[in-house]
Amino acid sequence: DTGVSQDPRHKITKRGQNVTFRCDPISEHNRLYWYRQTLGQGPEFLTYFQNEAQLEKSRLLSDRFSAERPKGSFSTLEIQRTEQGDSAMYLCASSRALIPYEQYFGPGTRLTVT
Amino acid sequence: QKEVEQDPGPLSVPEGAIVSLNCTYSNSAFQYFMWYRQYSRKGPELLMYTYSSGNKEDGRFTAQVDKSSKYISLFIRDSQPSDSATYLCAMATNFGNEKLTFGTGTRLTIIP
Repeated sequence: DTGVSQDPRHKITKRGQNVTFRCDPISEHNRLYWYRQTLGQGPEFLTYFQNEAQLEKSRLLSDRFSAERPKGSFSTLEIQRTEQGDSAMYLCASSRALIPYEQYFGPGTRLTVT
Repeated sequence: QKEVEQDPGPLSVPEGAIVSLNCTYSNSAFQYFMWYRQYSRKGPELLMYTYSSGNKEDGRFTAQVDKSSKYISLFIRDSQPSDSATYLCAMATNFGNEKLTFGTGTRLTIIP
């Protein structure tokens, strides 16, 4: 069990650019979640997958955001036309379908939009 | 009003003291209650997970849930400097709706 990994750990981009983040879940976990955390706040749910199916999306996930999990293993989160308000820590978590509330988080990708 | 309220602190206690961390919530549909620990610039780490009301103990940590008062607590006994971190409560409703709703976190410092 190597834990949830995320790449990159830090990303600095200019407003208007597109960015993509990757998450590799714990290997036997078929649920994968994306959250966003801003300074001084708890994580906020964005979306989650069971295997390759995206089951729920938050209203926080505007049309500039898209997430995929094409083969039911790793996932990508893309933000198009980044805005300064997108600056945050993007966290990925994974769990087993039978114990969905035991979510294990990765180290996060810190995005700074200048 | 947020669904989950948590005092952000900061909270400072001497080493060896018992720490009490709390959250209140407004959504009576919450049934699953979690506590996470988050060190600076790291992802949250799951500490405890309880279902419905009652107590659960794991080593130096005890989680309590009082659904009638919509109040949950985490107690840390024999606190250590390594316990210094931000503690987040998280909640979820029914099976099939697994998104977690988090509190803002309480920043805890254990003073040696």
